[in-house]
Amino acid sequence: AQSVTQPDIHITVSEGASLELRCNYSYGATPYLFWYVQSPGQGLQLLLKYFSGDTLVQGIKGFEAEFKRSQSSFNLRKPSVHWSDAAEYFCAVGGTGGFKTIFGAGTRLFVKA
Amino acid sequence: SQTIHQWPATLVQPVGSPLSLECTVEGTSNPNLYWYRQAAGRGLQLLFYSVGIGQISSEVPQNLSASRPQDRQFILSSKKLLLSDSGFYLCAWGDSSQSVGGQETQYFGPGTRLLVL
Repeated sequence: AQSVTQPDIHITVSEGASLELRCNYSYGATPYLFWYVQSPGQGLQLLLKYFSGDTLVQGIKGFEAEFKRSQSSFNLRKPSVHWSDAAEYFCAVGGTGGFKTIFGAGTRLFVKA
Repeated sequence: SQTIHQWPATLVQPVGSPLSLECTVEGTSNPNLYWYRQAAGRGLQLLFYSVGIGQISSEVPQNLSASRPQDRQFILSSKKLLLSDSGFYLCAWGDSSQSVGGQETQYFGPGTRLLVL
């Protein structure tokens, strides 16, 4: 069965510092991978997705993620964090049919001045 | 462009009262539709999904039901709310026509916060 693990419940980084949020997945075939961001009290916004091709995926708001099949990982990165990036981030993995997208428990990002 | 609406944004209901949350999508046709619940500090739990009018699949047994009376309308209901029904309810749509290998991207509405007292 497919699953997603986000090992960090919360992370604190200083504004201007680099960021990496970890995501590990379990899926028997080629995974379809997503990162979403959720601001407090809001819905989820799609940051980026990986279906195939280049393993380094660029997204909105300056985020990127790298698919590493050998490590079953899809980590999200940003070179310089802004205070407005404080939010909760969800990694998700999808299988065939689209109906069984599984979301990780989320990582809450705090940004300190 | 496509947009997804949910209402109400916030709802406070007494235990035992009925519930109706509505979700509508604009700018697309025949979307796949989803209801998720997000408990405080936790991830998303898929409650229901629908691939067409009148077609509802339930993921977990619970006190809730869903209906899809129109192509772009998805309703989450309950006859009698429980305290455990409190949470943040998210509706999402997926464009199956854009799917790659059967996988689609889901887009979320703004959510409804439900507090059952």
